[in-house]
Amino acid sequence: AQSVSQHNHHVILSEAASLELGCNYSYGGTVNLFWYVQYPGQHLQLLLKYFSGDPLVKGIKGFEAEFIKSKFSFNLRKPSVQWSDTAEYFCAVRSGGGADGLTFGKGTHLIIQP
Amino acid sequence: GAGVSQSPRYKVAKRGQDVALRCDPISGHVSLFWYQQALGQGPEFLTYFQNEAQLDKSGLPSDRFFAERPEGSVSTLKIQRTQQEDSAVYLCASSLDRDRGSEAFFGQGTRLTVV
Repeated sequence: AQSVSQHNHHVILSEAASLELGCNYSYGGTVNLFWYVQYPGQHLQLLLKYFSGDPLVKGIKGFEAEFIKSKFSFNLRKPSVQWSDTAEYFCAVRSGGGADGLTFGKGTHLIIQP
Repeated sequence: GAGVSQSPRYKVAKRGQDVALRCDPISGHVSLFWYQQALGQGPEFLTYFQNEAQLDKSGLPSDRFFAERPEGSVSTLKIQRTQQEDSAVYLCASSLDRDRGSEAFFGQGTRLTVV
């Protein structure tokens, strides 16, 4: 069974700091990778996804993520965070030939201090 | 509405009571998913429908959990004889088509508390 590990459960940064949230997955075959964000009181929203091609994917709101197959990683980055980035961030994986549902990590609670 | 709608938003049930949670997906969306999110955890997959067909129910934790989507649109997740460990947020998501790249849109969830 596949699993997703997010290393940081709580991250606190100041505005304009750079952000990197770690995500590792366990499945060895073809995978589809996702980052979702949940702002306070809102539903889960897709930030970005990787299926194939360029391993560096760009998403909404200035976020990007890099797929490194050899490290089974899909880390989320943003060069300069804003107070409005305060949210819960979830990494998710779906195996290429397996079930259609997503396997999520436990999430990282990001707090940006003004 | 424009998004996935779930009702009720909050449900308190006494242990042993049956509950039914409703999901209205985005109109025309073929695929529908249910997830369970316990406090402090990420969502966990429960079941998947393609139109009215339940193609995967491998994530349902016990035979007390049952989901249906009889006309390929609205879906209901039913939990019989609720237990305290069933307390969680139940999320519904839908996507436009069968394409595995199709984005899944999530509802705000139903928070179930079993007392």
